[in-house]
Amino acid sequence: NAGVTQTPKFQVLKTGQSMTLQCAQDMNHEYMSWYRQDPGMGLRLIHYSVGAGITDQGEVPNGYNVSRSTTEDFPLRLLSAAPSQTSVYFCASRTHPGQGSYNEQFFGPGTRLTVL
Amino acid sequence: QQQVKQSPQSLIVQKGGISIINCAYENTAFDYFPWYQQFPGKGPALLIAIRPDVSEKKEGRFTISFNKSAKQFSLHIMDSQPGDSATYFCAASFSNYQLIWGAGTKLIIKP
Repeated sequence: NAGVTQTPKFQVLKTGQSMTLQCAQDMNHEYMSWYRQDPGMGLRLIHYSVGAGITDQGEVPNGYNVSRSTTEDFPLRLLSAAPSQTSVYFCASRTHPGQGSYNEQFFGPGTRLTVL
Repeated sequence: QQQVKQSPQSLIVQKGGISIINCAYENTAFDYFPWYQQFPGKGPALLIAIRPDVSEKKEGRFTISFNKSAKQFSLHIMDSQPGDSATYFCAASFSNYQLIWGAGTKLIIKP
């Protein structure tokens, strides 16, 4: 049971480049989300999904796209990278509300992204 | 009304001392208050959580104190150890299950 995995661990992009951050979980969790973490700002929700085929925007969705074709995978796409997107990105998953532990989220190890 | 305000931003405590981190919220609809612990290079992990129907929850050296009337909750780490050095986040959520996060507290325990 690997939990939540993210690739790559580190990435450097040039302004305007696009890329996909990968996230996978093997806990059969319905709910998955993407956060960015910046110093002094906590965790800010980018996008989330309550199940395959269903996604929605969080607090800071601009410049990012997501899709959820399977329960296991939830990739995050940067369409045209900007220096303001330099951050650490975390993927998280949890059981559907009402099942198991109330609202505990399991986080991946993060991707540290630098946009030059 | 959606904010969760966390203080202090950083904290240095001597080994064996008590570490206290505070959070305040505005939205009285919040019904779940977790604390997450994050070590450098890792993702956050749930440490302890409380519902508003109790005023205190203790797990080992970690205690959450909850004051519903003041809309505040705090994390107390008793007998703080160097291994407790980490960043701590408080959060809150309500029926739509989105967690609202505090800004984090970097805790350093000096040996």
